[in-house]
Amino acid sequence: ETGVTQTPRHLVMGMTNKKSLKCEQHLGHNAMYWYKQSAKKPLELMFVYNFKEQTENNSVPSRFSPECPNSSHLFLHLHTLQPEDSALYLCASSQDVGGTKNIQYFGAGTRLSVL
Amino acid sequence: ELKVEQNPLFLSMQEGKNYTIYCNYSTTSDRLYWYRQDPGKSLESLFVLLSNGAVKQEGRLMASLDTKARLSTLHITAAVHDLSATYFCAVDTPTNAGKSTFGDGTTLTVKP
Repeated sequence: ETGVTQTPRHLVMGMTNKKSLKCEQHLGHNAMYWYKQSAKKPLELMFVYNFKEQTENNSVPSRFSPECPNSSHLFLHLHTLQPEDSALYLCASSQDVGGTKNIQYFGAGTRLSVL
Repeated sequence: ELKVEQNPLFLSMQEGKNYTIYCNYSTTSDRLYWYRQDPGKSLESLFVLLSNGAVKQEGRLMASLDTKARLSTLHITAAVHDLSATYFCAVDTPTNAGKSTFGDGTTLTVKP
């Protein structure tokens, strides 16, 4: 266990559905991240939150909407997704952004399939 | 734009052998990370390298950093099956602190 929990682990949704991914960390960290991991592509940073404030939106389409109500919880709201959005979505946390080590602790991920 | 390249992308090796995975990056970096990912599982931090000449070792894995060459290596000594996994390097830059750019990963398979 890394201290970062993601739910659900697997999700199948149609292109017209609305769903949310949840991430919770029990490490007392201040920074949280969303990544997309597709087959045959490097890990792509999507969003970064530091002390609940979004500090990075890496040109992510608006059909992905993040929410960070507090430093322990991070959501990714999904609507009108496309089949190419099917991927493993990973959440991570770190003590803060740009700190001395910035070691990130990853959740197990949500495997998303868009039909 | 920072680019991070790992090679090889796939590596099959026999138990007991040694091998090295390479990570090249394109701009000045002030920290480099190595992560491990087992199939269906999350990424696990292995090493953080913060300065030129830094060397870290854990069990059969040793990581080093040459900031002048913009190169990090992950050396595997006397491989065992349990080391089979995908290994990622990731790089932060001074102007992009905390926003790591990842390599494609090296999938290592250790055969008996």
